[in-house]
Amino acid sequence: DADVTQTPRNRITKTGKRIMLECSQTKGHDRMYWYRQDPGLGLRLIYYSFDVKDINKGEISDGYSVSRQAQAKFSLSLESAIPNQTALYFCATSDSGTSGFNEQFFGPGTRLTVL
Amino acid sequence: QKEVEQDPGPLSVPEGAIVSLNCTYSNSAFQYFMWYRQYSRKGPELLMYTYSSGNKEDGRFTAQVDKSSKYISLFIRDSQPSDSATYLCAMGTGNQFYFGTGTSLTVIP
Repeated sequence: DADVTQTPRNRITKTGKRIMLECSQTKGHDRMYWYRQDPGLGLRLIYYSFDVKDINKGEISDGYSVSRQAQAKFSLSLESAIPNQTALYFCATSDSGTSGFNEQFFGPGTRLTVL
Repeated sequence: QKEVEQDPGPLSVPEGAIVSLNCTYSNSAFQYFMWYRQYSRKGPELLMYTYSSGNKEDGRFTAQVDKSSKYISLFIRDSQPSDSATYLCAMGTGNQFYFGTGTSLTVIP
């Protein structure tokens, strides 16, 4: 079984709809992240969470909200989807070790299309 | 100005060629430098990381960091068709990483 899972894998929705993307992990990591990937723009950080009670905005948080329901679950919501939120969304996790570098492990991605 | 700049390619090389992938960055505070590989319809996977300046070698892959020039490179020796993927550079201070746009590489048998 995959260590980081994302649901749904593909979603087509209409402008103005509320959408939730979910992420679960079995790696036991404290830290979880949401990124979006766009052609020509690369991966950009939306939100990150270092533990259940810690939520931080990333580079492009406007139009998004998140919820850390448990250590293993981190969901991303688009309250009112708009076409320029069409993108590939990735969840990632990392440990909170003291070595200085904590590798991020990515899920398989969710392809979201907003019409 | 973007934090990280990466030539998107695409890059197409014959099998066995040496491949050079590069990124530049603007933030001198960055300490960790990473290369991720992303196959089509998959999430990125860490290939290598380097702390501060210097070189790191892992099999056919060599990562170089030149902090004075704010320039990082990934070299792939004896490239194989299985190396065909998008390669993303990433860098940061430890808590937050910034990614390049990715370079698409195709190795032709």
